[in-house]
Amino acid sequence: EIVLTQSPATLSLSPGERATLSCRASQNVRTFLAWYQQKPGQAPRLLIYDASHRAPGIPARFSGSGSGTDFTLSISSLEPDDSAVYYCQQRSDWPPGVTFGQGTRLEIK
Amino acid sequence: QVQLVESGGGVVQPGRSLRLSCAASGFDFSAYAMHWVRQAPGKGLEWVTLISHNGLNEYFGDSVKGRFSVSRDNSKNTVFLQMSSLRPEDTAVYYCARELSGTSGDYFDHWGLGTLVTVSS
Repeated sequence: EIVLTQSPATLSLSPGERATLSCRASQNVRTFLAWYQQKPGQAPRLLIYDASHRAPGIPARFSGSGSGTDFTLSISSLEPDDSAVYYCQQRSDWPPGVTFGQGTRLEIK
Repeated sequence: QVQLVESGGGVVQPGRSLRLSCAASGFDFSAYAMHWVRQAPGKGLEWVTLISHNGLNEYFGDSVKGRFSVSRDNSKNTVFLQMSSLRPEDTAVYYCARELSGTSGDYFDHWGLGTLVTVSS
């Protein structure tokens, strides 16, 4: 089973700063990686898929990069509303399945 | 617009069964694979199961394999999760999610609000 490890566990930044979140896979996942944002009491929201493609309606402040085992979610010009937990997610060829990272909590001071 | 509404959650004793439903609207349900994802209180996301668009293929996470089953009724735009031999560690909010089309990855572009299942005596 492929394991996704996210770092840091918590990130505390100020409005206007840039956030860089990391996701490392235990095996090569090519570019089959997504990022989600989850706010308290809400369902997750898809931000990025195929490592670097923004989902519809997602602001250009959110960008994804990486391939293979190392991936990054960058959020520029942080806003208070960006406070949330961010998860990465990958899919396996066989057996078919999905795994999530443990999440990074982003706090906007 | 796309809507997914889960129902059927509640409190159930260990070892018992429960069936969740997810009613879909606003899109061609029969064209999309559907997933269930759960989240234990204060914890991260855990994938549970996938059912293909036509219901012919199903896959499960290791923690529920052999205990949970999934089905769908495309005539009623509904997907079901049948949970058996429930354990306290199955306590979670259960989300149904639509798989994003047009990619090779199993990504989730729409989610329901979730339904809480509590397994406790």
